[in-house]
Formats: sequence, C-alpha cells, structure tokens
Amino acid sequence: GEQVEQRPPHLSVREGDSAVIICTYTDPNSYYFFWYKQEPGAGLQLLMKVFSSTEINEGQGFTVLLNKKDKQLSLNLTAAHPGDSAVYFCAVKFYAQGLTFGLGTRVSVFP
Amino acid sequence: NAGVIQTPRHKVTGKGQEATLWCEPISGHSAVFWYRQTIVQGLEFLTYFRNQAPIDDSGMPKERFSAQMPNQSHSTLKIQSTQPQDSAVYLCASSQGQNSDYTFGSGTRLLVI
Repeated sequence: GEQVEQRPPHLSVREGDSAVIICTYTDPNSYYFFWYKQEPGAGLQLLMKVFSSTEINEGQGFTVLLNKKDKQLSLNLTAAHPGDSAVYFCAVKFYAQGLTFGLGTRVSVFP
Repeated sequence: NAGVIQTPRHKVTGKGQEATLWCEPISGHSAVFWYRQTIVQGLEFLTYFRNQAPIDDSGMPKERFSAQMPNQSHSTLKIQSTQPQDSAVYLCASSQGQNSDYTFGSGTRLLVI
C-alpha cells in the first residue's frame, strides 16, 4: 500500500524565518494531497488540500508545492510566527481509500 | 456547527476492561473515519463508514476492536479487554463524501494502566 515518509521529525525556526517540511510518497496514482496542523490537545486542522493537477498552492503564510515527478509534497512556512508552533502532518489519498499520513513534524518557533 | 464531537476527551481504563469511544459526525456528512494516533506509529487508519455502512475496516485489529454506526448521528469504537498497547489518541473524522475534506474531532485520549 501507499507509504509516506515525512521529514524532518523536528524543526526549530527563528521567528520571521522560513521552514520547509517534505513528504515523499510511493504510489504514483495518488490523487489528493493534504497538509494538516495539530496543536496540543486538538484535532487535525486542514491547512490545504491539493489536487494532483495543481503544482503550486499558496495559503496564508505558507506555500505548498507538489512535485509529481519526484513524488514529493512540500510545505514551506514563510515568515514563521509563534502561532505556527504545532505538529504538521502530510497525508495522501488514492480515490476511495482512506488517508495515509506521514509521521509528522514538530515545529517550534522561537523569538 | 459544533464540528465533530468526540467523547470522552480522556479515558483511563484498567488492563482487561472494555472501553467505548463515541463520535458524533457533522450533520449531513455521510462518511465517518476512525484513526489511531501514537508517537511511534503516527496516524493509523482503522475503519470507515459511508451512509452508516462499514466500507473498509482493513486497519482494525482483528481481535478486541469493533466499530459500529447505528445511526447517522453517531459512531462508536469499542475495545474489549484493553491492553497497555491500546493506549493512544483515537481520532474520528467525517466528510460529505469520500473525496471531500475531512473534519477531525479533538480525539479521545485512552490510557490503559
């Protein structure tokens, strides 16, 4: 089945700097890609949903890139601020199957 | 819209006891998913219902774990004879369809001692 590798597992970022989280997936037929943010004691908050036909997606304070050739999905946090401190998960979905998640990246933003 | 509601938020059970976890999906959502989250394994898919019917339980441990969705307003995950390795956060999610956005609940943190 689908496997998703996410790196790095931990990321310390100075406030105002950028940071990148990368996920590599195995199934070339994967169709939907997701980034979730999880704050302590909370569920998963959807940051962005990406279709396989869209390579660059911009959100508020972040950019998501999909590289289908290399089967990589990346989340670029731009100008990190304390509210970005959380655990971030990528997830991949192939049609009717459930989501396959990466193991997560714990991001800590320091002043 | 209260979102996906999971109860209880925290549950402590003794080894060998039964634990029942509840999920109330968003009204109108036809798909309900259960995931288990641990530090070591991350987020693992357990099972999925569509229109109350079980569609895929490939992630469910074959023994001791069962899930039901008796009506469109709630689903339960039952763990019989709980073991310490069952300790995890159990997350429920719902969506309007299998390809729609998932909304996750805050989870139930289960501790088996």
